Amino acid sequence: DAGVIQSPRHEVTEMGQEVTLRCKPISGHNSLFWYRQTMMRGLELLIYFNNNVPIDDSGMPEDRFSAKMPNASFSTLKIQPSEPRDSAVYFCASRVDRFFTGANVLTFGAGSRLTVL
Amino acid sequence: KQEVTQIPAALSVPEGENLVLNCSFTDSAIYNLQWFRQDPGKGLTSLLLIQSSQREQTSGRLNASLDKSSGRSTLYIAASQPGDSATYLCAVGLTQGGSEKLVFGKGTKLTVNP
Repeated sequence: DAGVIQSPRHEVTEMGQEVTLRCKPISGHNSLFWYRQTMMRGLELLIYFNNNVPIDDSGMPEDRFSAKMPNASFSTLKIQPSEPRDSAVYFCASRVDRFFTGANVLTFGAGSRLTVL
Repeated sequence: KQEVTQIPAALSVPEGENLVLNCSFTDSAIYNLQWFRQDPGKGLTSLLLIQSSQREQTSGRLNASLDKSSGRSTLYIAASQPGDSATYLCAVGLTQGGSEKLVFGKGTKLTVNP
């Protein structure tokens, strides 16, 4: 099992450019989460999907952010246009949520470090 | 709104010392609590998960306790080693409006000195 795979690992772009971050969850996991981590705010949940359907996007900061999950093995987080304050590490995480037991462990990817100049 | 606080923000100890990391949360209506470890430049690794009906979980030199009524959890690390140096985050699992999510603290950065 290769774990949760994120790409790119590092992205440096200029303000106003479109940024697309990608995530491949663990095979068989049916919930996927996008988090953002900064020194000031810590880890913040942006959006989460269950069975490819967005369940909670209340953490998406503004309309410049969008996320999709076209199938069970792929998700994207897009920022358009990007701004310097979007600089952060973006994590994708997945878990199995077929039966609610409270014992479902969340597995994180290595993150995508975004720098917007 | 659920808030998770971890104190101290940073901790430095000599090798071999036993230590306790603290986590507090404002709303006791949680369904689990998880402790994660994060190494610099890396993702989070789950260490222990305590369900709301449980009081503690153990894995090797790690022991995590949960007291829902007081809104507290502790992570006890026995006989600390330099390899334990990392940031430790706690997260509470809660349901809101039919969705389930984890709310994280900002972490405690642990340094174990040889």
